[in-house]
Amino acid sequence: DAGVTQSPTHLIKTRGQQVTLRCSPKSGHDTVSWYQQALGQGPQFIFQYYEEEERQRGNFPDRFSGHQFPNYSSELNVNALLLGDSALYLCASSLLSSAYGYTFGSGTRLTVV
Amino acid sequence: AQSVTQLDSHVSVSEGTPVLLRCNYSSSYSPSLFWYVQHPNKGLQLLLKYTSAATLVKGINGFEAEFKKSETSFHLTKPSAHMSDAAEYFCVPLNQAGTALIFGKGTTLSVSS
Repeated sequence: DAGVTQSPTHLIKTRGQQVTLRCSPKSGHDTVSWYQQALGQGPQFIFQYYEEEERQRGNFPDRFSGHQFPNYSSELNVNALLLGDSALYLCASSLLSSAYGYTFGSGTRLTVV
Repeated sequence: AQSVTQLDSHVSVSEGTPVLLRCNYSSSYSPSLFWYVQHPNKGLQLLLKYTSAATLVKGINGFEAEFKKSETSFHLTKPSAHMSDAAEYFCVPLNQAGTALIFGKGTTLSVSS
């Protein structure tokens, strides 16, 4: 049974560009959450998607947007990249009816230069 | 509101000796609490979770934690450390809405031979 799959694993972008990160949830999960983890810090909640709608959002600017598809997979888009957006981006999937089992992917390492 | 304090930013132990990673919580409601582990450049792995059932929770790889309401603590323990336990550990509450994990900085565990 595949866990959470994220792509790409590494990415280098130039300041001002836009980036799209992708996540396939664990089989059977219907909810996807995104977290940003800066170097040496704990992950910070960006937003959560369920039934293709943003369910809750953390303290991140509108440059961060997302999407969930009918097959439950998800994308995270970041526009107008800043150097400070360099981080490990983690996707976590869960089953909405059971809020206790978050499975994380290995993340996408984004470097903005 | 809910928050946790991991009392040690860095813990060093010798292989074969016990591990204790301390976590105190503050919450206005009965929290759901998790311990996650993150190995270098990897995603997060769930060690164990407390969801108001048994107060002594057994997790993977020999770890366990005891929820003590009187002390507002949820310390993580393991009888005998292994070199592979060296990693970053996070004590994480779930927000009251059940939509987001709230991470702090974590505790770095070093294991020497």
